[in-house]
Parts: sequence; C-alpha cells; structure tokens
Amino acid sequence: GENVEQHPSTLSVQEGDSAVIKCTYSDSASNYFPWYKQELGKGPQLIIDIRSNVGEKKDQRIAVTLNKTAKHFSLHITETQPEDSAVYFCAASRNSGYALNFGKGTSLLVTP
Amino acid sequence: EPEVTQTPSHQVTQMGQEVILRCVPISNHLYFYWYRQILGQKVEFLVSFYNNEISEKSEIFDDQFSVERPDGSNFTLKIRSTKLEDSAMYFCASSKNRDTSGANVLTFGAGSRLTVL
Repeated sequence: GENVEQHPSTLSVQEGDSAVIKCTYSDSASNYFPWYKQELGKGPQLIIDIRSNVGEKKDQRIAVTLNKTAKHFSLHITETQPEDSAVYFCAASRNSGYALNFGKGTSLLVTP
Repeated sequence: EPEVTQTPSHQVTQMGQEVILRCVPISNHLYFYWYRQILGQKVEFLVSFYNNEISEKSEIFDDQFSVERPDGSNFTLKIRSTKLEDSAMYFCASSKNRDTSGANVLTFGAGSRLTVL
C-alpha cells in the first residue's frame, strides 16, 4: 500500500521567515495530494491541495510543489505568522480509491 | 461554513464495553469516512461509506468495528468490545463527490476522543 513519509517532524521558525515541509510517497498511482493543518483540539483542516497534472499551486502565502518523477511534494509557507503554528499533515490518495494516506505530521512553531 | 459535527467530544469506557461514536456529515455530501489518530501518531484511515455500503476499509477495521447510517443525517461508528489499544481520537469526515480529476476533497470533524481503561 501507499507509504507517505514527512519531514521534518518539528520545525521552529521566526515570524516572517519561510517554512518548508517535505513529503515523499511510494505509490505511483497516487494522484491527489492535500495538505491539512491541525490546531490543538480540532480536526484536520484542508489548506491546499494539488493534483498530479499540476506541478505547483499557490494560494496567498501558501504554495505546494509536486515532483511526480521523484514522488515528492512540498508545502511552502512564506511570511510566517504566529497563527501558522500548528501540526501540518501531508496526504496522498489515488482516484480509484477512497483512503487518504497521511504522513506523520510536522509540528510548526512560529515565534514572534 | 458547513461543518461536520461529532459527538461525544470525549468518552471514557471500560475495556470490553461497546461504544458508539456519532457524526453528522455535511448535508449534501455523499461520501462518509472514519479515521483515527492515536496520540502522537499519524491519522489513519478506517473506512469509507457510500450509497449505504462500505466502499473501502483498512486492516484496522476488523469485525469489532461497524458503521451505519441509521437515518438521513447521522453516520455512526460502533466498536463492539473495546480494547486498550482502541484509545485514540476518532475523526469523521465527509466529501461531496469526486471532482473531475477523481479526487475526494474531505472535510473533517473536530473528533471524538475515546479513552479505554
């Protein structure tokens, strides 16, 4: 089955700096790659996603890149703010299935 | 913004007891899911449900687990005889439909924390 690896497990940045979180996946049939943000006591919230027919997608301060050949995708957050502090999960799925396969999560801390 | 709501937020139970976790998915969604997250670990897929039947399930979803959509709004997860290792946060999710690329875009609830003693 699909195996999603996520790095780093923790990341601390200063406010205003950029943060990058990287994921790799194993199933070449995976074609949908969402990123979720989980704040304390809440469920995962979708922040951005990318399909396999696209190499990059941007939404304000958040961008995701996908390299299908290398089977890796990354989340980039620019101009980080303290409210970006949360656990971020990457995930992968194939359109023939229903399950999202999650990475282990990255705990991001943005210090003022 | 429409939400997935889950009850209870926290349940404590004794080993061997039956537990039912409840979810109200977003009203026009067609696909329903249960995921679980053991403390400090990744979110794991349990089961997906579409058109009143299970469409996919993981190895975790054994005979102790069952799901039901008893009426037009609720979606439940039942654990027949809880074990210590069932202690986790259980997330319900729903999605409207597959988009043109085939992706299921999920909305998650806030979770139900199950503690088995």
